[in-house]
Amino acid sequence: GAVVSQHPSRVICKSGTSVKIECRSLDFQATTMFWYRQFPKQSLMLMATSNEGSKATYEQGVEKDKFLINHASLTLSTLTVTSAHPEDSSFYICSARGGTGASNTEAFFGQGTRLTVV
Amino acid sequence: GQNIDQPTEMTATEGAIVQINCTYQTSGFNGLFWYQQHAGEAPTFLSYNVLDGLEEKGRFSSFLSRSKGYSYLLLKELQMKDSASYLCAVDDYKLSFGAGTTVTVRA
Repeated sequence: GAVVSQHPSRVICKSGTSVKIECRSLDFQATTMFWYRQFPKQSLMLMATSNEGSKATYEQGVEKDKFLINHASLTLSTLTVTSAHPEDSSFYICSARGGTGASNTEAFFGQGTRLTVV
Repeated sequence: GQNIDQPTEMTATEGAIVQINCTYQTSGFNGLFWYQQHAGEAPTFLSYNVLDGLEEKGRFSSFLSRSKGYSYLLLKELQMKDSASYLCAVDDYKLSFGAGTTVTVRA
């Protein structure tokens, strides 16, 4: 299957700082990328959907000014957690879908990023 | 909005069969995915259904009834390594996930 690389896999940062997470599709063009957050023993909560070259669509309750998403190319999307706080500590996972962005194609997941804010 | 329901936990014996149900009420529908997720890891794709009926893939099968808003994932010949969380995800141009079903396989 297709490969999606997410980096870093783990990051610890101080409260108040910003953290950038990268998601790259290595062997296909990701027209759509999804960003999820997962708290322990809970399911994946969709944060936002981004299409290459356009602004991300955020889910209700997700602060777009806090979670900055950039999808400037067909192979790279980034999520920046700005002014991180301990409650932002979570597992963040990206998912990429390619082709024409058609919805009936499999979404491939990155390895996830474990963010700990101290 | 999206409403996707699946049982929280299931336990079964090695070699047995387990069926994980998923019901959904969504504003749109373009297919349903099942993913497996081991603790601390990203989800991995298991199956996809867009038409009514059964899709079989080795030990795993998935069924869909669009009129009933219902799907199930069937795991046969359970192995210890099948202990994981199983996530039902509905495709409406974005993937929305159910809470996941934790399956524990006992010897």
